[in-house]
Amino acid sequence: DTAVSQTPKYLVTQMGNDKSIKCEQNLGHDTMYWYKQDSKKFLKIMFSYNNKELIINETVPNRFSPKSPDKAHLNLHINSLELGDSAVYFCASSQVGAGGRSTGELFFGEGSRLTVL
Amino acid sequence: LAKTTQPISMDSYEGQEVNITCSHNNIATNDYITWYQQFPSQGPRFIIQGYKTKVTNEVASLFIPADRKSSTLSLPRVSLSDTAVYYCLVGDNAGGTSYGKLTFGQGTILTVHP
Repeated sequence: DTAVSQTPKYLVTQMGNDKSIKCEQNLGHDTMYWYKQDSKKFLKIMFSYNNKELIINETVPNRFSPKSPDKAHLNLHINSLELGDSAVYFCASSQVGAGGRSTGELFFGEGSRLTVL
Repeated sequence: LAKTTQPISMDSYEGQEVNITCSHNNIATNDYITWYQQFPSQGPRFIIQGYKTKVTNEVASLFIPADRKSSTLSLPRVSLSDTAVYYCLVGDNAGGTSYGKLTFGQGTILTVHP
């Protein structure tokens, strides 16, 4: 079983459309993230949720809206897509251990490549 | 957040040991050093993490000098399948939130030749 799974793997769409990417983790982790990897391979945090609550929102346009129906799922919805939104989006999860400290290990999905035409 | 600097690319041959050094001059007291590996069309994968001195696991070793301003990832006897991008991250593990805020940076593209 894939630990962190994302769908779809590839997404090609027109400017102005609205699209969603889904993420599920079966690791029992409390914290989930969305990262964006641009063409220069920089991976930047977008959002982080801990037990369905938003804890990180890194200067992301409000066209991007994460939704966490439960702690195993973190979906990303994007409104009014723009050319600059083309990138690979990675979902990840991690576990906070005793004393509130992360284990330091992020588990990533395989990525969703979004192409906006 | 501590900034990291790594070589953009490195080349090696099968069977050689590869050492990738990362500079993090403004590392904070609570910061840990973590390395990730990323293959094309895949998400990054955790390799190793350390705080000081040396850490070894089944795939790599991590050397951290006493001043912690740099670290070296050592991959013993690389194979073609070790061709990937290697990222060095520095951050505080407390609570998971600050850790998740890390930006991976450009990483080091390691190419292993036959």
